Amino acid sequence: AQSVTQLDSQVPVFEEAPVELRCNYSSSVSVYLFWYVQYPNQGLQLLLKYLSGSTLVKGINGFEAEFNKSQTSFHLRKPSVHISDTAEYFCAVSTQGAQKLVFGQGTRLTINP
Amino acid sequence: NAGVTQTPKFRILKIGQSMTLQCTQDMNHNYMYWYRQDPGMGLKLIYYSVGAGITDKGEVPNGYNVSRSTTEDFPLRLELAAPSQTSVYFCASSSSTGGAYGNTIYFGEGSWLTVV
Repeated sequence: AQSVTQLDSQVPVFEEAPVELRCNYSSSVSVYLFWYVQYPNQGLQLLLKYLSGSTLVKGINGFEAEFNKSQTSFHLRKPSVHISDTAEYFCAVSTQGAQKLVFGQGTRLTINP
Repeated sequence: NAGVTQTPKFRILKIGQSMTLQCTQDMNHNYMYWYRQDPGMGLKLIYYSVGAGITDKGEVPNGYNVSRSTTEDFPLRLELAAPSQTSVYFCASSSSTGGAYGNTIYFGEGSWLTVV
């Protein structure tokens, strides 16, 4: 079975600073990896996903993530954050044929002016 | 384009009461899910359905029931509500196995339930 660990429960950063949200996964087979974002009082929406091919994946709102198979990681990055990026971010993993996603515990990103 | 719609958005229940959270999607998705979200715990899958008439348990099914009589609707029933069921509930759907083959899961806006 697969599992996901988000290494930071909260990440405070200043506006226009870079940010990295860390995600490690565990699986014995090939994986599909996702980052979802949840803005305050809203549901989750897809930020980006890795299926295969290039290990650097670009998503919406200037976010990108890099799949690192040797380190079983899928860290999310943004070079310069904005106040509007304040949200909770969830990493998730699945495998081919799996009937559900497994979510990490979430990382709350807080942007300070 | 409505997507996934769930009601009610907020509800306060007394211990022992029952209620149904409604969920409907207009994307003709086969797969539907119910998750609960507790602070610092991420999302836990309660039940899911792979099509009309077919449901299966997720990680935390105790205290809940579901049915799937149509493709569009997937209600979640809470019987004999307990304080441990205080949570935010999300309904979601996907066109095929959520995550498999990279299919995106689409979420509703959530239902905040408090059991007192």
